[in-house]
Formats: sequence, C-alpha cells, structure tokens
Amino acid sequence: DSGVTQTPKHLITATGQRVTLRCSPRSGDLSVYWYQQSLDQGLQFLIQYYNGEERAKGNILERFSAQQFPDLHSELNLSSLELGDSALYFCASSVEGSGAHNEQFFGPGTRLTVL
Amino acid sequence: AQSVTQLGSHVSVSEGALVLLRCNYSSSVPPYLFWYVQYPNQGLQLLLKYTSAATLVKGINGFEAEFKKSETSFHLTKPSAHMSDAAEYFCAVSGGATNKLIFGTGTLLAVQP
Repeated sequence: DSGVTQTPKHLITATGQRVTLRCSPRSGDLSVYWYQQSLDQGLQFLIQYYNGEERAKGNILERFSAQQFPDLHSELNLSSLELGDSALYFCASSVEGSGAHNEQFFGPGTRLTVL
Repeated sequence: AQSVTQLGSHVSVSEGALVLLRCNYSSSVPPYLFWYVQYPNQGLQLLLKYTSAATLVKGINGFEAEFKKSETSFHLTKPSAHMSDAAEYFCAVSGGATNKLIFGTGTLLAVQP
C-alpha cells in the first residue's frame, strides 16, 4: 500500500459525459501528479500540482482540467468524453516538487471506460 | 528534452535464470532514472532509483541496475528469476525544474517454470 488513495476504482460512462477522479496523496506529500495509461499511448504525464499551484503540464487535453485543494487532495476533471479517453488514470504524490530524492508513490488507479 | 527507450516489449526467462531488461535514456540535463514494476490490475511500485550517487543501484526484491553514462543505459538485472517476478516493468527518467516522469513503453516479463 503506497498510501495514495484514488476513487473511484472503476468508472463507466458514455461519450459526451463529464467525470471527476479524486486523489488523496500520502500524508505529508505536497506534490500530486496525474498520469494516463492507455494501450496506444502508454504511460503519459498529464499534470503536476505542488502545494495547490500548477507546477508542470504534459500532454493534457483542453477538455481535461485538474486542481489541488487546500487539504492537498486533487481532482482530475474529464469532460466531453470520447471513446479514446478510456484508460487507467494514475495519481502519484511526492514530498517536494522536484529534486534528487523525490520519488513518486503511485495510487492504484482509476479505470475509466467510455462507451 | 528527455526520453526513454526500452528494448524488448516482451521478455521470457526460465525460473532461476538471469533477468536482463534494457533501458536507454536521453536527457539534456543530469538525469534521475527509475525502474517501476506493475503487477496486473495494480499501480506502479518503485523498484530502484538512480540519483547521481552510486552508479550501481540496488533495489527491492533482488533487483539492481547500473547507470552507464557512456552508453546512456540503465539496464535492470536480477541474478535468478522467480515466478513472482512476472509483471510489467517500466523505466522512467526525470530531471530539471519539475519532477515529472517520462516513461518507456514497458517490458512484460514472463517467467517460465
């Protein structure tokens, strides 16, 4: 158990809908990262927050957005869903936003299926 | 820019045999390198990491990796494979101002009895 929790574990929805994925980082971790794992794209970095502020952006679609709240939990919002958004979405957390010993701990993931 | 290339999407070894999973990296800044393992229907677990200290890094479950700057490689090895090692292994690189991980495409390790 990494200490990172993600809800829900599974999500099935229809095209055009909007969903919210939730992540609670490990106690004491200030940085949260979101990754998408799909068969065709592999594991891709989406976005990073550090202590409530956006730190880095990766291959995140404009239909997707995220935020980190004062209690440090994070939400990833996916809207106007398409079939190709079906994937496993991971959240990870680390103590700091960067640095040599700043390893990331991954949650169990949310499996999103868009029908 | 940073990238990672994992050679061999599928590797099969016999139980007790040497495990060698290959990873080559490209980085314009001093890299931090990682190996993660993913068991079916689970998240990623860190096996080991290189952060510019020792070039030979020992990790969990008997795995180790050697950072070779001249070859831009960070191959993962284990002297003797166990059935429980069957999983997907990802090499990743980070560095610079953020801590984002750039992953390779993964290597699925099968261990035959």
